[in-house]
Parts: sequence; C-alpha cells; structure tokens
Amino acid sequence: EDQVTQSPEALRLQEGESSSLNCSYTVSGLRGLFWYRQDPGKGPEFLFTLYSAGEEKEKERLKATLTKKESFLHITAPKPEDSATYLCAVQNNFNKFYFGSGTKLNVKP
Amino acid sequence: EAQVTQNPRYLITVTGKKLTVTCSQNMNHEYMSWYRQDPGLGLRQIYYSMNVEVTDKGDVPEGYKVSRKEKRNFPLILESPSPNQTSLYFCASSLMTSGNEQFFGPGTRLTVL
Repeated sequence: EDQVTQSPEALRLQEGESSSLNCSYTVSGLRGLFWYRQDPGKGPEFLFTLYSAGEEKEKERLKATLTKKESFLHITAPKPEDSATYLCAVQNNFNKFYFGSGTKLNVKP
Repeated sequence: EAQVTQNPRYLITVTGKKLTVTCSQNMNHEYMSWYRQDPGLGLRQIYYSMNVEVTDKGDVPEGYKVSRKEKRNFPLILESPSPNQTSLYFCASSLMTSGNEQFFGPGTRLTVL
C-alpha cells in the first residue's frame, strides 16, 4: 500500500537553528516526490519536485534530498517567516497522490 | 492571473441536501484533483482527472461524484452529504498528468449538520 509518513509532527526552532524534516514513503512506482508549504487557512504552495534517488534541490534556506525510501527537507538558519506546515507527497504509477500529515514548524525570533 | 478558483469558500448545510463545489483553472492544465484535509490525516485524494471525460477514484471516493466535461472545470458533487464529510476541501491542477507540481485552490470549508 502506498503511503507517506512525516516526522516530527511539530518542530520548534529558534531563529538561526538549522534542522531537518523527514518524509518516509512507500510507493508503487515513483512519478515524483513533492514538498509543499501550507500557511494557516490557505492552500498548499509548491516548493520542490524530486524524481530519483540522489537528487537534490535548493531554494533560499531550503534544501530537499531524496533516497529510495525517504526525503529530507533541510532548513538552514530559519527565520520566523519560515513558520508553516510542510507537506510531503508522492505520485505513483497510477498518477494518484499520497500526502503525509505534515510537519508544523514554528520558528521563534 | 494564473489560478485555481473554488466556490463557495464556506458552506454550512444539512444532512442529505445535495450540493456542488465548483473548481475552475485558467492554466489549460490536463490534470485536476480534489482533496479533503482533516486534522491528523493530512490531505487525502478523493477523485482525479487526467483529461476531459477521464476521471478516476482516489483514496477516499465514497460519497462523492465528479465530472470533467470541460478542461477548465472539475466540480465536486455530494449527492447526500453526511456529517462525516465535514472537512476542508481543496481543488488542484497540474500541467501534465504525471510528475508536475500541483497548483491548489484556496479551499472550501464545508460543515454538514
């Protein structure tokens, strides 16, 4: 069964304190692994797509990596505006999407 | 402006009263999808469509119907809503069928009494 598990559920960081969010997945044929950011009361906003193990992508303070079983979202020197819920999703060979339940990040000044 | 729109944004209804939530995108996207988001369960896919007249069940299709008669529109229909369908609903679209990021609408908060 295809599924995505994210950890931790919640993470509190001080401004400037780097950390990583984990996304473990099982999928019947990976078409893509996606990271989104969701602010309260809004729809998810796209961050990254990764397609194969070993791939990495970066954007400002965020870096996403992918292995055959998990993905990490590394946050370097976070700022309060990085506070949000981060969602991980996979798309399988049948073009279905499976999302994790998210990691709620709170960055304190 | 490229966007996915949903209407209504908020809806309170009663058990058994048929309702439709509309979704429209202006980006000529092939793939469209409906999700529900519940605390602790994350986003779960209800139905998706890879093109006009092509729809498939997601993970939680029971109690929902969809149609894709035009490329830009993908309405979600609840024929006989029940309280367990109280949720936050998102419509999303992506350019191609697979491997592309999805653009999400603003969400529809539905309460079924």
